[in-house]
Amino acid sequence: TQLLEQSPQFLSIQEGENLTVYCNSSSVFSSLQWYRQEPGEGPVLLVTVVTGGEVKKLKRLTFQFGDARKDSSLHITAAQPGDTGLYLCAGDNYGQNFVFGPGTRLSVLP
Amino acid sequence: DTEVTQTPKHLVMGMTNKKSLKCEQHMGHRAMYWYKQKAKKPPELMFVYSYEKLSINESVPSRFSPECPNSSLLNLHLHALQPEDSALYLCASSHPNTGELFFGEGSRLTVL
Repeated sequence: TQLLEQSPQFLSIQEGENLTVYCNSSSVFSSLQWYRQEPGEGPVLLVTVVTGGEVKKLKRLTFQFGDARKDSSLHITAAQPGDTGLYLCAGDNYGQNFVFGPGTRLSVLP
Repeated sequence: DTEVTQTPKHLVMGMTNKKSLKCEQHMGHRAMYWYKQKAKKPPELMFVYSYEKLSINESVPSRFSPECPNSSLLNLHLHALQPEDSALYLCASSHPNTGELFFGEGSRLTVL
């Protein structure tokens, strides 16, 4: 069974701070996606990483896929209250199924 | 704004009621999904439809009955639910090339 772990599970920081959240697995994925979900809403896709070692930037968010395609990180620079939400990583098992991590719940305080 | 539309946004039902959740997408995606999400947990896969055929059923109780009338629509029929079935039910479709999931805003179900 493929599993994705995310750390930390909870993170509460002040506006302006930087943070990194991690998504780890012992399995290889064909791609990995990051989603952000706000309370009462569906997850919204932020990025897909496909190639080992790939780095993608989305404004203040930087995503990296591990060289072995088993792990990923999300770094947020100068966090803002609007970044608050549940960050989910999901691994694509070569089109067979998606595996979701348990999520990192981020709270950015003004 | 999501391109996957779910109705109703909120639903309260008794354990003897029959109701349906509806999902619609017009992105031409041929795979559609139902997920269940409990508070503070990640989404759990329930069903996958591929080209309007049920391809995955993750051992979901028969009180949940999915239906895919055409490539744009996905329904989830609910009957004789239990209070523990209360959750956010998410519909998604996936891009045929990238596999990326596009979620609706969800239907918040409360079973009394």
